[in-house]
Amino acid sequence: GAGVSQSPRYKVAKRGQDVALRCDPISGHVSLFWYQQALGQGPEFLTYFQNEAQLDKSGLPSDRFFAERPEGSVSTLKIQRTQQEDSAVYLCASTSSSGGPDTQYFGPGTRLTVL
Amino acid sequence: QKEVEQNSGPLSVPEGAIASLNCTYSDRGSQSFFWYRQYSGKSPELIMSIYSNGDKEDGRFTAQLNKASQYVSLLIRDSQPSDSATYLCAPTQYGNKLVFGAGTILRVKS
Repeated sequence: GAGVSQSPRYKVAKRGQDVALRCDPISGHVSLFWYQQALGQGPEFLTYFQNEAQLDKSGLPSDRFFAERPEGSVSTLKIQRTQQEDSAVYLCASTSSSGGPDTQYFGPGTRLTVL
Repeated sequence: QKEVEQNSGPLSVPEGAIASLNCTYSDRGSQSFFWYRQYSGKSPELIMSIYSNGDKEDGRFTAQLNKASQYVSLLIRDSQPSDSATYLCAPTQYGNKLVFGAGTILRVKS
Protein backbone atom coordinates (compact mmCIF):
# COMPACT_ATOMS: atom_id res chain seq x y z
CA GLY A 1 0.00 0.00 0.00
CA ALA A 2 0.96 3.64 -0.19
CA GLY A 3 3.29 5.13 2.37
CA VAL A 4 2.95 8.36 4.30
CA SER A 5 2.46 11.31 2.00
CA GLN A 6 2.96 14.99 2.71
CA SER A 7 2.08 18.12 0.81
CA PRO A 8 3.33 20.46 -0.32
CA ARG A 9 6.86 19.10 -0.65
CA TYR A 10 8.29 22.60 -0.73
CA LYS A 11 6.85 25.82 0.62
CA VAL A 12 8.29 29.31 0.49
CA ALA A 13 6.60 31.87 2.70
CA LYS A 14 7.22 35.49 3.42
CA ARG A 15 7.76 36.32 7.06
CA GLY A 16 4.41 36.87 8.72
CA GLN A 17 2.42 34.60 6.41
CA ASP A 18 0.40 31.65 7.65
CA VAL A 19 1.14 28.18 6.25
CA ALA A 20 -0.62 24.81 6.40
CA LEU A 21 1.21 21.53 5.95
CA ARG A 22 -0.68 18.33 5.25
CA CYS A 23 0.05 14.74 6.20
CA ASP A 24 -1.72 11.63 4.90
CA PRO A 25 -0.69 8.68 7.09
CA ILE A 26 -0.64 5.06 6.06
CA SER A 27 -4.23 3.84 5.90
CA GLY A 28 -5.39 2.43 9.21
CA HIS A 29 -2.49 3.81 11.22
CA VAL A 30 -3.67 4.96 14.62
CA SER A 31 -0.79 7.15 15.73
CA LEU A 32 0.58 10.16 13.92
CA PHE A 33 3.61 12.25 14.84
CA TRP A 34 5.00 15.57 13.62
CA TYR A 35 8.72 16.36 13.81
CA GLN A 36 10.76 19.40 12.85
CA GLN A 37 14.24 18.92 11.40
CA ALA A 38 16.61 21.85 11.14
CA LEU A 39 19.59 21.64 8.80
CA GLY A 40 22.30 19.38 10.18
CA GLN A 41 20.21 18.26 13.15
CA GLY A 42 18.11 15.25 13.99
CA PRO A 43 14.32 15.53 13.89
CA GLU A 44 12.72 17.06 16.96
CA PHE A 45 9.31 15.98 18.24
CA LEU A 46 6.48 18.48 17.88
CA THR A 47 3.20 16.70 18.59
CA TYR A 48 1.45 13.31 18.67
CA PHE A 49 -2.07 12.12 17.84
CA GLN A 50 -3.77 8.88 18.65
CA ASN A 51 -6.72 8.79 16.28
CA GLU A 52 -8.23 12.29 16.54
CA ALA A 53 -6.95 12.97 20.05
CA GLN A 54 -3.87 15.14 20.43
CA LEU A 55 -2.17 13.40 23.34
CA ASP A 56 1.09 15.33 23.44
CA LYS A 57 1.86 18.78 22.09
CA SER A 58 4.81 19.48 24.35
CA GLY A 59 7.20 19.96 21.44
CA LEU A 60 5.32 22.77 19.71
CA PRO A 61 7.75 25.74 19.86
CA SER A 62 5.16 28.46 20.39
CA ASP A 63 1.46 29.19 20.26
CA ARG A 64 1.94 30.05 16.59
CA PHE A 65 2.05 26.32 15.91
CA PHE A 66 -1.20 24.38 15.81
CA ALA A 67 -1.96 20.83 14.68
CA GLU A 68 -5.19 18.97 14.14
CA ARG A 69 -6.44 15.59 13.00
CA PRO A 70 -10.21 15.99 13.14
CA GLU A 71 -11.26 12.63 11.68
CA GLY A 72 -8.37 10.56 12.89
CA SER A 73 -6.73 10.28 9.49
CA VAL A 74 -5.30 13.30 7.67
CA SER A 75 -3.45 15.81 9.84
CA THR A 76 -2.62 19.45 9.27
CA LEU A 77 0.17 21.41 10.92
CA LYS A 78 -0.49 25.12 10.79
CA ILE A 79 2.07 27.81 11.50
CA GLN A 80 0.79 31.34 11.95
CA ARG A 81 2.83 34.50 11.36
CA THR A 82 5.86 32.52 10.17
CA GLN A 83 9.32 33.60 11.30
CA GLN A 84 12.71 32.86 9.75
CA GLU A 85 13.52 30.44 12.55
CA ASP A 86 10.58 28.31 11.41
CA SER A 87 12.56 27.36 8.28
CA ALA A 88 13.06 23.60 8.49
CA VAL A 89 11.86 20.30 7.13
CA TYR A 90 8.61 19.18 8.73
CA LEU A 91 8.29 15.41 8.91
CA CYS A 92 5.19 13.38 9.56
CA ALA A 93 5.31 9.77 10.74
CA SER A 94 2.64 7.20 11.44
CA THR A 95 2.46 3.86 13.19
CA SER A 96 -0.22 1.27 13.64
CA SER A 97 0.52 1.01 17.36
CA SER A 98 -1.64 2.77 19.91
CA GLY A 99 1.10 2.96 22.47
CA GLY A 100 3.53 0.10 22.39
CA PRO A 101 6.87 0.08 20.62
CA ASP A 102 6.38 0.14 16.89
CA THR A 103 8.14 1.38 13.82
CA GLN A 104 7.34 4.92 12.80
CA TYR A 105 7.16 5.34 9.04
CA PHE A 106 8.13 8.76 7.82
CA GLY A 107 6.76 10.76 4.95
CA PRO A 108 9.02 12.65 2.54
CA GLY A 109 8.70 15.87 4.52
CA THR A 110 7.80 19.44 3.66
CA ARG A 111 10.70 21.84 3.33
CA LEU A 112 9.57 25.24 4.58
CA THR A 113 11.64 28.31 3.78
CA VAL A 114 10.64 31.59 5.38
CA LEU A 115 12.09 34.67 3.70
CA GLN B 1 23.76 17.49 28.40
CA LYS B 2 21.81 16.47 25.32
CA GLU B 3 19.23 13.73 25.70
CA VAL B 4 20.83 11.65 22.94
CA GLU B 5 24.48 12.03 22.03
CA GLN B 6 26.16 10.80 18.87
CA ASN B 7 29.55 11.54 17.39
CA SER B 8 28.77 13.82 14.46
CA GLY B 9 31.59 12.41 12.33
CA PRO B 10 32.16 12.13 9.52
CA LEU B 11 33.18 8.54 10.12
CA SER B 12 35.16 7.35 7.12
CA VAL B 13 35.67 3.65 6.48
CA PRO B 14 36.96 1.77 3.43
CA GLU B 15 34.60 -0.41 1.45
CA GLY B 16 34.28 -3.85 3.02
CA ALA B 17 35.23 -2.68 6.52
CA ILE B 18 33.11 -2.64 9.66
CA ALA B 19 31.53 0.69 10.60
CA SER B 20 30.77 1.22 14.28
CA LEU B 21 28.27 3.88 15.28
CA ASN B 22 27.67 4.77 18.91
CA CYS B 23 24.97 6.53 20.89
CA THR B 24 24.36 7.38 24.54
CA TYR B 25 21.06 8.52 26.01
CA SER B 26 20.04 10.16 29.26
CA ASP B 27 16.47 8.94 29.90
CA ARG B 28 16.64 5.70 31.89
CA GLY B 29 12.94 5.21 31.19
CA SER B 30 13.53 4.63 27.48
CA GLN B 31 12.48 1.12 26.54
CA SER B 32 12.71 1.00 22.75
CA PHE B 33 15.59 2.03 20.56
CA PHE B 34 15.70 2.65 16.84
CA TRP B 35 18.40 3.31 14.28
CA TYR B 36 17.34 5.27 11.21
CA ARG B 37 19.34 5.98 8.09
CA GLN B 38 18.87 9.29 6.31
CA TYR B 39 20.24 10.10 2.90
CA SER B 40 20.78 13.74 2.05
CA GLY B 41 17.48 15.41 1.22
CA LYS B 42 15.46 12.33 2.13
CA SER B 43 13.41 11.30 5.14
CA PRO B 44 14.61 8.82 7.79
CA GLU B 45 14.15 5.11 7.09
CA LEU B 46 14.32 2.41 9.73
CA ILE B 47 17.41 0.21 9.85
CA MET B 48 17.08 -1.59 13.17
CA SER B 49 15.02 -1.67 16.32
CA ILE B 50 16.11 -3.17 19.63
CA TYR B 51 14.26 -3.50 22.90
CA SER B 52 16.35 -5.86 25.10
CA ASN B 53 19.90 -5.80 26.34
CA GLY B 54 22.33 -7.63 24.11
CA ASP B 55 22.81 -7.96 20.38
CA LYS B 56 20.31 -8.12 17.55
CA GLU B 57 21.47 -9.04 14.06
CA ASP B 58 19.75 -8.41 10.74
CA GLY B 59 21.82 -9.11 7.66
CA ARG B 60 24.89 -6.87 7.67
CA PHE B 61 23.57 -4.85 10.61
CA THR B 62 23.95 -5.58 14.33
CA ALA B 63 22.44 -3.40 17.03
CA GLN B 64 23.76 -3.61 20.58
CA LEU B 65 21.99 -2.31 23.67
CA ASN B 66 23.25 -1.85 27.23
CA LYS B 67 20.57 -0.19 29.34
CA ALA B 68 22.74 -0.08 32.46
CA SER B 69 25.31 2.00 30.59
CA GLN B 70 22.62 3.84 28.61
CA TYR B 71 24.45 2.94 25.44
CA VAL B 72 23.31 1.66 22.07
CA SER B 73 25.40 0.97 19.01
CA LEU B 74 25.07 -0.09 15.40
CA LEU B 75 27.64 -2.17 13.54
CA ILE B 76 27.61 -2.35 9.77
CA ARG B 77 29.64 -5.21 8.33
CA ASP B 78 31.04 -5.27 4.80
CA SER B 79 30.32 -1.56 4.41
CA GLN B 80 29.27 -0.46 0.93
CA PRO B 81 29.38 2.99 -0.68
CA SER B 82 25.57 2.89 -0.65
CA ASP B 83 25.74 2.85 3.16
CA SER B 84 27.08 6.42 3.07
CA ALA B 85 24.43 8.44 4.88
CA THR B 86 23.60 9.99 8.24
CA TYR B 87 22.66 7.48 10.93
CA LEU B 88 20.21 8.64 13.57
CA CYS B 89 19.87 7.03 16.98
CA ALA B 90 16.40 7.38 18.52
CA PRO B 91 15.22 6.06 21.87
CA THR B 92 11.53 6.41 22.62
CA GLN B 93 10.01 8.36 25.46
CA TYR B 94 6.53 8.43 26.97
CA GLY B 95 3.88 8.13 24.30
CA ASN B 96 6.23 6.39 21.89
CA LYS B 97 7.72 9.65 20.63
CA LEU B 98 11.22 9.38 19.22
CA VAL B 99 14.04 11.48 20.63
CA PHE B 100 16.71 11.76 17.97
CA GLY B 101 20.40 12.41 18.23
CA ALA B 102 21.99 14.80 15.76
CA GLY B 103 23.24 11.85 13.74
CA THR B 104 26.59 10.46 12.64
CA ILE B 105 27.68 10.99 9.06
CA LEU B 106 29.14 7.80 7.59
CA ARG B 107 31.28 7.83 4.46
CA VAL B 108 32.28 4.55 2.85
CA LYS B 109 35.12 4.98 0.41
CA SER B 110 35.45 2.63 -2.56
